Amino acid sequence: EVRLEESGGGLEQPGRSLRLSCAASGFTFEGYAMHWVRQAPGKGLEWVSGINWNGDRRGYADSVKDRFTISRDNAKNSLYLEMNSLRPEDTALYYCTKGSRYYSSYFNNDASDVWGQGTMVTVPS
Amino acid sequence: DIQMTQSPSSLSASVGDRVTITCRASQSIDIYLNWYQQKPGKAPHLLIYAAFSLQSGVPSRFSGSGFGTDFTLTIDGLQPEDFATYYCQQSYTNLSFGGGTKVEVK
Repeated sequence: EVRLEESGGGLEQPGRSLRLSCAASGFTFEGYAMHWVRQAPGKGLEWVSGINWNGDRRGYADSVKDRFTISRDNAKNSLYLEMNSLRPEDTALYYCTKGSRYYSSYFNNDASDVWGQGTMVTVPS
Repeated sequence: DIQMTQSPSSLSASVGDRVTITCRASQSIDIYLNWYQQKPGKAPHLLIYAAFSLQSGVPSRFSGSGFGTDFTLTIDGLQPEDFATYYCQQSYTNLSFGGGTKVEVK
């Protein structure tokens, strides 16, 4: 069974840091781009960041650029999101998603065909 | 960044209806447009990718069309399980979502 399981969320104060992890199983992790997508309570979806299969191409939404860093460890079948300088507007459920194109050099021109259940990040104002 | 505008933001429909949701990009995105369905308390799931390709396992009553800046998701014969929120997503450069369309019971 293809599965993504996020962890690392929680309550953190503004200006502090948090690291999210996503454990993948049931597919060849190294073959696919991966993404983080978030959803603030009662709001729509926001793409946060994406990384191609080998990590040499990464992209970020303007709202998190220069604060968040996406990375992956293909040997551990894991995706990460390092979140620095947290703000109240970062409060959201963070989903890990799998790209659908096998060994694509890019993280875009793609779709998220598998989603985790999400991990909640809360940054109080 | 490319902005995605969905319309309407909500609609009311009955079982059996034909439902159409539109999505407009702020610049041309070729065919790099995906559609997702999300039910309350659940993660989204992929319905349509690359504008018109049906994801495996998705019922054929769902279809997508469009190219460039204007795209459409059509549900032909709405079923009870289709009441949900639908999002478009462009993947032409970086990625971004539309604001969502909530399909409610009339």
